[in-house]
Amino acid sequence: DAGVIQSPRHEVTEMGQEVTLRCKPISGHNSLFWYRQTMMRGLELLIYFNNNVPIDDSGMPEDRFSAKMPNASFSTLKIQPSEPRDSAVYFCASNFGEGSNQPQHFGDGTRLSIL
Amino acid sequence: DQQVKQNSPSLSVQEGRISILNCDYTNSMFDYFLWYKKYPAEGPTFLISISSIKDKNEDGRFTVFLNKSAKHLSLHIVPSQPGDSAVYFCAARAGGATNKLIFGTGTLLAVQP
Repeated sequence: DAGVIQSPRHEVTEMGQEVTLRCKPISGHNSLFWYRQTMMRGLELLIYFNNNVPIDDSGMPEDRFSAKMPNASFSTLKIQPSEPRDSAVYFCASNFGEGSNQPQHFGDGTRLSIL
Repeated sequence: DQQVKQNSPSLSVQEGRISILNCDYTNSMFDYFLWYKKYPAEGPTFLISISSIKDKNEDGRFTVFLNKSAKHLSLHIVPSQPGDSAVYFCAARAGGATNKLIFGTGTLLAVQP
């Protein structure tokens, strides 16, 4: 079974550049989550979608961050312009059923380094 | 303000012995709790969960205990194996229709052969 697929696995870019992270959730899942993991703050939720609609974006750090889910099988997280403090591992996760007792399943993450 | 806390950053256990990982939470509205295991360069992998209507859930070598009055949950691994060495995260979901999880900061478990 295909799990959550994230691309790229690694991204190194210079400060000020636009960065786009991509995620394909597990087929049939209708909720999708973007997380960021850093040493200082651990694993924190940035935004989540249910049925392609953003439900909670309270974790998005600032206007430089945006996320879209144009269809049930694809989502992007964009940072523009990027800054060194955005360096982190970004995870995407998915599950089925808002409010149900279903675990979220994670991709292997994108390790982002902003120079 | 951390709502889910794992106060032990690391734990070392001998192979074959019991590993006990602890997690405390502050929000009494949390109704579903999960444990994830994470290896380096991989995403967290779901391990076991428990609903707030239960106080114990078991799956093979893994058992999760929930003490609602103390707002405390623990993960027991018996017997521990070297392959269990990983970072373990506990997570909690607020009650109602939300799908949002709050994660602890993780405990690094090292199982010594």
